[in-house]
Amino acid sequence: DIVMTQSPDSLAVSLGERATINCKSSQSVLYSSNNKNYLAWYQQKPGQPPKLLIYWASTRESGVPDRFSGSGSGTDFTLSISSLQAEDVAVYYCQQYYSTLPVTFGQGTKVEVK
Amino acid sequence: EVQLVESGGGLIQPGGSLRLSCAASGFIVSSNYMSWVRQAPGKGLEWVSFIYSGGTTYYADSVKGRFTISRDNSKNTLYLQMNSLRAEDTAIYHCARVHSSPTFYFDYWGQGTLVTVSS
Repeated sequence: DIVMTQSPDSLAVSLGERATINCKSSQSVLYSSNNKNYLAWYQQKPGQPPKLLIYWASTRESGVPDRFSGSGSGTDFTLSISSLQAEDVAVYYCQQYYSTLPVTFGQGTKVEVK
Repeated sequence: EVQLVESGGGLIQPGGSLRLSCAASGFIVSSNYMSWVRQAPGKGLEWVSFIYSGGTTYYADSVKGRFTISRDNSKNTLYLQMNSLRAEDTAIYHCARVHSSPTFYFDYWGQGTLVTVSS
């Protein structure tokens, strides 16, 4: 199985400041035939299901604010929130879908307001 | 509008059985790849099972042989039959739609239903 490791486990950021979450996979999730990274990011607010934010490592889902951005390739990925808003307080998960059996998630990163 | 609504969770003794349902609206379950993903209290996300549009099913090793995913096309509903339940199966169970094959990320999730396995 591909192991996904996020860092940090939690972070506190002031409103309007940048939040950065890292995700590392135990093997590359870059598919050479199409040059796509099989990596998604989700946001989960308390009491709610996960919400898809980003897929293909950097493509924002429709309706997701452009302050959210994804980057990285191969085994190292980053989710950035350029200017943290109060409504961004949540747990964020990365997920690889390069290997589908099983698909695997990171352990989550909790983002709070400092 | 796409909606997924789970039901069927509850408190069950170890060794017992439970069937979860996921009623879908806004799309056709049988035309999509569907999944169950669970989340133990205060923990992260764990994939449980897939059912492909053609009917092929797959399971996580932790539930293989105990859980069965299925669907009722006439009701546009996804199911998860859970047998021989263990304490470690305690979790919120979400149904989720796979965006499309072969891109196995999840574009819609249900709110989830809580399964508690305890004596």
